[in-house]
Amino acid sequence: DAGVIQSPRHEVTEMGQEVTLRCKPISGHDYLFWYRQTMMRGLELLIYFNNNVPIDDSGMPEDRFSAKMPNASFSTLKIQPSEPRDSAVYFCASSLYLRTVSGNTIYFGEGSWLTVV
Amino acid sequence: DQQVKQNSPSLSVQEGRISILNCDYTNSMFDYFLWYKKYPAEGPTFLISISSIKDKNEDGRFTVFLNKSAKHLSLHIVPSQPGDSAVYFCAAYDYTGTASKLTFGTGTRLQVTL
Repeated sequence: DAGVIQSPRHEVTEMGQEVTLRCKPISGHDYLFWYRQTMMRGLELLIYFNNNVPIDDSGMPEDRFSAKMPNASFSTLKIQPSEPRDSAVYFCASSLYLRTVSGNTIYFGEGSWLTVV
Repeated sequence: DQQVKQNSPSLSVQEGRISILNCDYTNSMFDYFLWYKKYPAEGPTFLISISSIKDKNEDGRFTVFLNKSAKHLSLHIVPSQPGDSAVYFCAAYDYTGTASKLTFGTGTRLQVTL
């Protein structure tokens, strides 16, 4: 059973360039999440979608960040223009339910390592 | 404002000994807690969880303790094994009506030495 698939795994780009990260969630999962991992803040939720609709984007750091989910099997996180402080690992995750009352429902991809120089 | 705090960025433990990872939280609306484990170059994976109606949950070598009055939880690994070396994230759900987010801490890197 395929897990959450992210691409690219690694991206090095120059400041000011546009960066697009891609995600394919687990088939049948209604929720898709974008997280960012940094040393200072750990794993931060940037935005999440339910049935392809953005529900909460309060974690998106600024207007340079945007996310879309054109269909149930694909999402993008775009940074334009990119800055060195955007360097982090970006995780996509998906789940069948928004939350759980037992066990776990959220499954993460392997992450996209972004370095902006 | 970090609502879930893991104040120890790293921990080193000898193989066979107990590892204790700590987590503090500030949001009284948190009602379900999870621990995730993350190996390098991989995504976090679920390890163990606990509901706020319990104070302990055990799964093999892993036990999570919850002290609601202190807003504190801990993960105990006994005995620690080299394969447990990873970053451990504490996470919590808050239930606010129809909205609920999973909030993570900053992580603790555990190294189990031989």
